[in-house]
Amino acid sequence: EIVLTQSPTTMAASPGEKVTLTCRASSSVSYMHWYQQKSGASPKLWIYDTSNRASGVPNRFSGSGSGTSYSLTISSMETEDAATYYCQQWSSNPLTFGSGTKLEIK
Amino acid sequence: EVQLQQSGAELVKPGASVKLSCKTSGYTFSNYYMSWLKQMPGQNIEWIGNIYGGNGGTGYNQKFKGKATLTVDKSSSTAYMDLSSLTSEDSAVYFCARDRTEFAYWGQGTLVTVSS
Repeated sequence: EIVLTQSPTTMAASPGEKVTLTCRASSSVSYMHWYQQKSGASPKLWIYDTSNRASGVPNRFSGSGSGTSYSLTISSMETEDAATYYCQQWSSNPLTFGSGTKLEIK
Repeated sequence: EVQLQQSGAELVKPGASVKLSCKTSGYTFSNYYMSWLKQMPGQNIEWIGNIYGGNGGTGYNQKFKGKATLTVDKSSSTAYMDLSSLTSEDSAVYFCARDRTEFAYWGQGTLVTVSS
């Protein structure tokens, strides 16, 4: 099973600040997906196939990476971006998720 | 508009079974996989398995084999998940989500509480 390790576990950012969340895989994966989840809600697909924004996702969000190292970047933090972000892979069965990064607003 | 409507919260006793449903609309059910996922309170998301709407073919996470059984009813465009021999470790929110590799559409989740 591929283990996805996200860092940091929790962080706080000020409005306008650049934010980078990372996801490291225990073995190489072909691509990474990212989800945003707010309290009490279902996760939302946010970035798919490493670098593609899902429908409706603001262009301040971007994704990058390859192999075992992937990242999600917010160019300028906004209040509405406070949430937990999960990475997910299915290059190898079983499909796995990272344990999440909780992003808070300062 | 794609919609996945899950059944309501369940309170079940240890050792019992429960059947969750996920009724879909807005797309051709038989053309897509449905996946099921588990999220314990404050914890990360686990993939349970998936089922193809066209022929009911399944794939499971080894961890959930024997615990979860996935089925579909094409006539009503509904996916089901049976959970058996429930323990406190099965208390969680269970989601259905369309597709097999990434999930653009999710149900609202069903809270299962296992308690005597």
